[in-house]
Amino acid sequence: DAKTTQPNSMESNEEEPVHLPCNHSTISGTDYIHWYRQLPSQGPEYVIHGLTSNVNNRMASLAIAEDRKSSTLILHRATLRDAAVYYCIREIPEAGTALIFGKGTTLSVSS
Amino acid sequence: NAGVTQTPKFRILKIGQSMTLQCAQDMNHNYMYWYRQDPGMGLKLIYYSVGAGITDKGEVPNGYNVSRSTTEDFPLRLELAAPSQTSVYFCASSYGTGGYTEAFFGQGTRLTVV
Repeated sequence: DAKTTQPNSMESNEEEPVHLPCNHSTISGTDYIHWYRQLPSQGPEYVIHGLTSNVNNRMASLAIAEDRKSSTLILHRATLRDAAVYYCIREIPEAGTALIFGKGTTLSVSS
Repeated sequence: NAGVTQTPKFRILKIGQSMTLQCAQDMNHNYMYWYRQDPGMGLKLIYYSVGAGITDKGEVPNGYNVSRSTTEDFPLRLELAAPSQTSVYFCASSYGTGGYTEAFFGQGTRLTVV
């Protein structure tokens, strides 16, 4: 199965860290893990991606397990604007360069 | 840079009508994609293109056609609209493959077929 597994929903309070988990147990050694998010009524936007080691950017951090079967997106201090659907996506080589989306995790942030 | 531009933003079609959803990008990306998103669901890949003149089917291509005559444009054609094609359609583009597949999405076209 080429899909990833994520919880349907998570809740957080503003200013607190958020850890969004993703399982991708059938991933191959050369497939990148991508995270996108979709704010209400908007198109998805890129968050972060990685292959083996942990990655950081201005939006988030990505922690990839040593066996690469799971990863965690970390939002260090959630804000109300971070309320969105977060998608963990594997690249699927048989679909060319395209990203295949699952249902994602709906993150709610409370003030 | 405008990024990825989709037109129209909204459209209502009658069953059996045809239309073309337009998508243009100004980032000189080789790779372009069309997705549809049904209410409460994730995005499903319809078609994709790895360069001008090259297109391929995605997960849900039935009822749609695409062409890619230029690097900038990737129109999606609905020939005989059906209620099952009521959805939000997103176009996206990216520079490359592997670690370079940061995709940029348009704002979407909301299509209703009645």
